[in-house]
Amino acid sequence: QVLLVESGGGVVQSGRSLRLSCAASGFTFSSYAMHWVRQAPGKGPEWLAVISFDGINKYYADSVKGRFIISRDNSKGTLYLQMDSLRDEDTAIYYCARSPSGGAWTFDYWGQGTLVPVSS
Amino acid sequence: DIQLTQSPSFLSASVGDSVSITCRASQAVNYDLAWYQQKPGRAPDLLIYAGSTLQSGVPSRFSGTVSGTEFTLTISGLQPEDFATYYCQLPNSFPPITFGQGTQLEIK
Repeated sequence: QVLLVESGGGVVQSGRSLRLSCAASGFTFSSYAMHWVRQAPGKGPEWLAVISFDGINKYYADSVKGRFIISRDNSKGTLYLQMDSLRDEDTAIYYCARSPSGGAWTFDYWGQGTLVPVSS
Repeated sequence: DIQLTQSPSFLSASVGDSVSITCRASQAVNYDLAWYQQKPGRAPDLLIYAGSTLQSGVPSRFSGTVSGTEFTLTISGLQPEDFATYYCQLPNSFPPITFGQGTQLEIK
C-alpha cells in the first residue's frame, strides 16, 4: 500500500535551518509529482511547494519562496524540504503529499506529518 | 490569485441528517475542485475530486455538485464517523494551490 513517512521535525530556533524528509513506498515514486503542505495550529492546510516527477520543475508559495527548497532522490524514493531562515510563523505540522497521475494537483495520499515548532 | 470562500465555518447536525457545505471560487475554475475530510490528529483525506468524482473507498453518502463557480459537498445520512473538518481545494489555481477556510462539522 502507498505509504509516506515524514521525519526530521523538531524544535528549532528562529533563524535556523531544518531539513525534512519523506520516505515513500508502495508505488513508483519516480512517476509522481510530490508536494509539501503545512498546517499551523488551529488553521487550515497551506500548500508550500511542488516538484515534478523528474525533479526538474519546482514551484513555491510566496510565503516560503527563497527560504525553502524542495528536492527529491528518486533512487531512494525520498522527498526533501530544506527550510532556511525559519520564522515563528513557520510553526506547523508539515506533510508530504502525492498528486495522482493525470496532471491535476489534488493530494490523494498524505504522510502522517512531522511537527516543526519554531521558537524565538 | 483565485480566492475560495467556504461556508459555513461551523455546522451542527445529528446522526442521520443531511448537510451541505459550499465553496465559491472568485473566477471560473473549469469545474475542478476537491474536497477533503480531516479528523483531529490526522492528515486530510481526499473525498471528491473534479468537482463530483468520489475517491476510491469513499462512501456513496458523500456527493459533490457544481454550478458555475459554486461547489457543494453534501453528506446524506450523517454517520458518527463523519463528524470532522472539511476543506475544499482548487487543484488548478496554481500558483498557489488554494484551500478553503474549512467547515467544522459537530454533533448536535
